[in-house]
Amino acid sequence: AQTVTQSQPEMSVQEAETVTLSCTYDTSESNYYLFWYKQPPSRQMILVIRQEAYKQQNATENRFSVNFQKAAKSFSLKISDSQLGDTAMYFCAFMKPYSGYALNFGKGTSLLVTP
Amino acid sequence: GAVVSQHPSRVICKSGTSVKIECRSLDFQATTMFWYRQFPKQSLMLMATSNEGSKATYEQGVEKDKFLINHASLTLSTLTVTSAHPEDSSFYICSASGGLDSTDTQYFGPGTRLTVL
Repeated sequence: AQTVTQSQPEMSVQEAETVTLSCTYDTSESNYYLFWYKQPPSRQMILVIRQEAYKQQNATENRFSVNFQKAAKSFSLKISDSQLGDTAMYFCAFMKPYSGYALNFGKGTSLLVTP
Repeated sequence: GAVVSQHPSRVICKSGTSVKIECRSLDFQATTMFWYRQFPKQSLMLMATSNEGSKATYEQGVEKDKFLINHASLTLSTLTVTSAHPEDSSFYICSASGGLDSTDTQYFGPGTRLTVL
């Protein structure tokens, strides 16, 4: 079974600063997908960024980027130029690369962006 | 694109009654839908996976007779909580995937808050 660990239950960052959320996972699979989802107070789950394990290049989506270290089984999320609207719960998730496999979530990191 | 709706957004019911929650993919065909449960300040816990036209696969510990899932079409899945009790009160979230991209990304509905009195 795959396990996903987010070791930072809560984090805080000032507006315009950069913050990195950590995520590690355990798997015996050689190919898989990794995701970061954001859940703001509205509780709507929003996809932030995704990474295919066979791709060495780190994924980037505007202010969001990942540092994917396959050998270390690490998948951290960097948020640049933090904005108040980034305040949310962030979940790291793992998925096997076959249609129909569910997401395996970490416990989440609560991020607070302060003025 | 990739919008998933859920209805109702919140429901309050009496103990012993049944409640149906609908999950719809609005702009894509969802070959697979998932139902999650989330307790306050916790992560999402997978309850079951459903594929269109076939029986749902339930996770260990989830009572299939209590949480009835139907995936009758490529755009609609329903979760019925039968004979609901206060301990069933929770936030229920559905997601859908339809092979829209190379990672088979799941898109989530906005969730349903169920309160059983």
